[in-house]
Amino acid sequence: DQQVKQNSPSLSVQEGRISILNCDYTNSMFDYFLWYKKYPAEGPTFLISISSIKDKNEDGRFTVFLNKSAKHLSLHIVPSQPGDSAVYFCAASGSGTGGFKTIFGAGTRLFVKA
Amino acid sequence: KAGVTQTPRYLIKTRGQQVTLSCSPISGHRSVSWYQQTPGQGLQFLFEYFSETQRNKGNFPGRFSGRQFSNSRSEMNVSTLELGDSALYLCASSRDGTATYNEQFFGPGTRLTVL
Repeated sequence: DQQVKQNSPSLSVQEGRISILNCDYTNSMFDYFLWYKKYPAEGPTFLISISSIKDKNEDGRFTVFLNKSAKHLSLHIVPSQPGDSAVYFCAASGSGTGGFKTIFGAGTRLFVKA
Repeated sequence: KAGVTQTPRYLIKTRGQQVTLSCSPISGHRSVSWYQQTPGQGLQFLFEYFSETQRNKGNFPGRFSGRQFSNSRSEMNVSTLELGDSALYLCASSRDGTATYNEQFFGPGTRLTVL
């Protein structure tokens, strides 16, 4: 039962253009969402987060949008740079009958072409 | 400030053996979580420890166990290894009391190969 889904395993974008990475979740108990970036041979590093009381959070070139009614969030990278090439994981956090949980998606591999 | 460290970085075992992986969190972090990463499956949550107590547990068989010491260092043990246990095992620490709602800081992982 995948509660957090990243349906695109990979995405290729030209340098300077916008990269849009998508994430869907199924459980309404999630109310905090995070994006992590992972380079090969390294652990994931935190990128940006958003609380369910907001619909947008921006940090430099990175913006996360949250659509609660659709249970969908997206990460926009503008402009994309070759150094952004990595695997991006979406994560959803919340508490419910099963206790506290943070669930990660399967990841999307982003290729930014120079 | 030193980051999260994991030892060993690479490990090769055979089926039926057992293995222990170690994780040292960032100084001052008391929450340690363990994840299994396999291709196409993302990061699967194993368990979270806080102040030497298991706070949360994922859907893994009992062959997977862990513990946390008083200095917040954590170990993960897998007994009776199976081929499907081959994966990257990641440890993450959190500043506050729970990995939920908080940014996690990940180590580089231990790559386990089961032959």
